Amino acid sequence: GDSVTQMEGPVTLSEEAFLTINCTYTATGYPSLFWYVQYPGEGLQLLLKATKADDKGSNKGFEATYRKETTSFHLEKGSVQVSDSAVYFCALSDPLGATGANSKLTFGKGITLSVRP
Amino acid sequence: DSGVTQTPKHLITATGQRVTLRCSPRSGDLSVYWYQQSLDQGLQFLIQYYNGEERAKGNILERFSAQQFPDLHSELNLSSLELGDSALYFCASSVGTVGDEQFFGPGTRLTVL
Repeated sequence: GDSVTQMEGPVTLSEEAFLTINCTYTATGYPSLFWYVQYPGEGLQLLLKATKADDKGSNKGFEATYRKETTSFHLEKGSVQVSDSAVYFCALSDPLGATGANSKLTFGKGITLSVRP
Repeated sequence: DSGVTQTPKHLITATGQRVTLRCSPRSGDLSVYWYQQSLDQGLQFLIQYYNGEERAKGNILERFSAQQFPDLHSELNLSSLELGDSALYFCASSVGTVGDEQFFGPGTRLTVL
């Protein structure tokens, strides 16, 4: 079945440091890939997405490139801020998976990012 | 604000009881999804409805059931509650096309004592 693997956390960085959060996936078909962010006490918000190979999703300084050859969708940001402290989830939606034509999301375990001033 | 509303925000109940969680999707969205977030299992897909019909099932226990009404709001019913059912329950909605973005509600935190 579909699965998403994220690097182990938590991650603590100083402000303005470079961020990479690794994400790899296994899927039956041709999935869409997403990064969601969850700020403390809130629901999930879509950060960025990519729907086909070599697409780059970007938002708020974050970027991720859909790499089919390595089945990866790593999240990067050149200079993190304290306000980026949150939990980050990598997810996929595989319309051609075993469960048929639906759009359910399969999530990784999430990683907590803390940014120090 | 995602436009998805969930009630109640918090729910505290006892083992063996039954509760109902409610979700109103964004205006125009036909698909509703329910997810459970717990410390040990992470975020897991429970069930999806599209325009009133069940579309997909995930790791949903037989004690749990859901429905989507003609006005497109959805309810998740949890019965014979156990301590392990304590979790955050999220509802999400989308237009309904494959691969489109899901918008998440703020969640209902269920505590079973």
